[in-house]
Amino acid sequence: GEDVEQSLFLSVREGDSSVINCTYTDSSSTYLYWYKQEPGAGLQLLTYIFSNMDMKQDQRLTVLLNKKDKHLSLRIADTQTGDSAIYFCAESKGTGANNLFFGTGTRLTVIP
Amino acid sequence: NAGVTQTPKFQVLKTGQSMTLQCAQDMNHNSMYWYRQDPGMGLRLIYYSASEGTTDKGEVPNGYNVSRLNKREFSLRLESAAPSQTSVYFCASSEKSMGASEAFFGQGTRLTVV
Repeated sequence: GEDVEQSLFLSVREGDSSVINCTYTDSSSTYLYWYKQEPGAGLQLLTYIFSNMDMKQDQRLTVLLNKKDKHLSLRIADTQTGDSAIYFCAESKGTGANNLFFGTGTRLTVIP
Repeated sequence: NAGVTQTPKFQVLKTGQSMTLQCAQDMNHNSMYWYRQDPGMGLRLIYYSASEGTTDKGEVPNGYNVSRLNKREFSLRLESAAPSQTSVYFCASSEKSMGASEAFFGQGTRLTVV
């Protein structure tokens, strides 16, 4: 199946690190994505990782992939109030047009 | 640099009314998509168009129809709106198929059916 699960809510204090977790069920997934949705806006791609990688770092963002446990995480270092948003994990199985499956989204609230 | 533009941004319909949601992209993307977003359920694909001239059903197509008018435009039609179609609708486009290249999303249409 293509179930992608995330916790619905996360609150952190400004300056702390945030870790948003995601589990997926399809071991044939080739790409895994993190999208960010700010209030009143559409989704924006934050970062992605190929399934043959364990980790990817991009400035304050670190993506960790545990393929054995089908677990993906997004760590945001030095979280800022501007990071408050909904974060969606998504998995893709390849190049078909109908192959991207989104999680429920995690609403991150950053407390000043 | 408009990206993906959706109209309208908000709409209230009565049960049984019809309407068309418009979507246009200016990035010369081949693929376009319509999603609905409901609380606690993430995004679900309604219909997609892998290329100009083709459309296919997604996960939740019942009650909707689509038209890929040209490469730029992809519209979603509700023929007889029902309260269960109250949702936020997003149009998206991508150069290649969804998942193989970055997807760009519109700002969404918040639809309420009473």
